[in-house]
Amino acid sequence: NAGVTQTPKFQVLKTGQSMTLQCAQDMNHNSMYWYRQDPGMGLRLIYYSASEGTTDKGEVPNGYNVSRLNKREFSLRLESAAPSQTSVYFCASRISGGSSTDTQYFGPGTRLTVL
Amino acid sequence: DQQVKQNSPSLSVQEGRISILNCDYTNSMFDYFLWYKKYPAEGPTFLISISSIKDKNEDGRFTVFLNKSAKHLSLHIVPSQPGDSAVYFCAAEGDDKIIFGKGTRLHILP
Repeated sequence: NAGVTQTPKFQVLKTGQSMTLQCAQDMNHNSMYWYRQDPGMGLRLIYYSASEGTTDKGEVPNGYNVSRLNKREFSLRLESAAPSQTSVYFCASRISGGSSTDTQYFGPGTRLTVL
Repeated sequence: DQQVKQNSPSLSVQEGRISILNCDYTNSMFDYFLWYKKYPAEGPTFLISISSIKDKNEDGRFTVFLNKSAKHLSLHIVPSQPGDSAVYFCAAEGDDKIIFGKGTRLHILP
C-alpha cells in the first residue's frame, strides 16, 4: 500500500510554461483534494473531487484546472505558470465524499518553483 | 479574513512537560475539527479530531479540548517527547469548507 503518491517531487518552470501535477491513491477513497502551502501559511484548498466524475473549486482555484481521471487519479494543471504559483502542492484523499468526519491522507508534496 | 487562527507561530517546551497548542475559529457552522502534524519535506499526517458535539477527545498522549462558546480548541500533548517536534495544523470542516490554520511549530527541548 503506497497510500497517496505525487509526481514529480520537484519542478522548476519558467513563467508561462504549463505542467500537470499527478496524484494517485491506492486506498479506494472516493474524495481527493489539491492544496497549496506557502511559507507562513496554512494549507489552502485549490480544488477537490468529492467522487469520481465531480470536481469543485476550493478557496484558491484561479490559475488551476483539475481532472479526476478515474477513482485513483486526480491531476492538477497549471496552464500558464506565474511566480505567484511557487509553492508546495499537496494532494490528499479520504474515504467519503463531501463534508465528512473521516480523516484525509496526504501525499509527500510537490515543490514547484516558477521563475 | 482568517476563519481558523493559530496565533502562536512557534512554541518551545521542555521534554517531559505538557505542550498546549491553541486554535481559534470564527465560523459557527464548523462541526468537525482536526489536528495534523507535519515534519519537513513530508505531507501532513492526521493526529486527532473532535466533533462539535463533544468537548474532549483523548488518544494516548494527545487530548483535544473544544470550547464551542469561545470558538476555541486546544491540543494537549503529555508528556512531550523529542519526536513531537513538528509543525501542527488545526483544521476546521463544515459549511462545505475545509480551512486550515497557519500552523504552530513545536520545539521540544532536551
